[in-house]
Amino acid sequence: GEDVEQSLFLSVREGDSSVINCTYTDSSSTYLYWYKQEPGAGLQLLTYIFSNMDMKQDQRLTVLLNKKDKHLSLRIADTQTGDSAIYFCAGLSGYALNFGKGTSLLVTP
Amino acid sequence: GAVVSQHPSWVICKSGTSVKIECRSLDFQATTMFWYRQFPKQSLMLMATSNEGSKATYEQGVEKDKFLINHASLTLSTLTVTSAHPEDSSFYICSARDLGTSGARNEQFFGPGTRLTVL
Repeated sequence: GEDVEQSLFLSVREGDSSVINCTYTDSSSTYLYWYKQEPGAGLQLLTYIFSNMDMKQDQRLTVLLNKKDKHLSLRIADTQTGDSAIYFCAGLSGYALNFGKGTSLLVTP
Repeated sequence: GAVVSQHPSWVICKSGTSVKIECRSLDFQATTMFWYRQFPKQSLMLMATSNEGSKATYEQGVEKDKFLINHASLTLSTLTVTSAHPEDSSFYICSARDLGTSGARNEQFFGPGTRLTVL
């Protein structure tokens, strides 16, 4: 299966931008996703990018995809305390989603 | 939007008993549902893929006799943890794929999860 790696922890101040990085191994992943998980809850799809795109912007969220380096990033502009959560990147390989271990984002006032 | 529910949201049981977890797609039909397991501070590990009307496909290392999956209708899949033991304690999350709205995104909609604690 695919290996998906993420940094485990990120702390930012409220109002700053957050950048969460992810690397993956399966170049055949057709879609790459970012999910948010709040404590004790399921996963909420934040955004996704198709593998033939380099960038996707959705309000405060910007996804960058570097297929050559198999690197995916999620930028959250004007980070708020409500953005504190665990963020998972995932690649779609066939029908299955392969998740990274998640990055805990802590936003401090 | 597409909503997936799970029941119960948490359950505590004695070692040796069986526990059934339900996953329902509330406003769409899900021909495929997925069951994941998540350990604290860990990623989601796919356990099995459940297809309506057919046998589930289990991932390597997942005991199918231990984790029984039934996808009897287009809106309901159940996971039964048989003869549960403390090492089965975990957060179990289901997801469902809606062919109508997932479309090209192949989006999976996730349930809120079930916290299982086996004493």
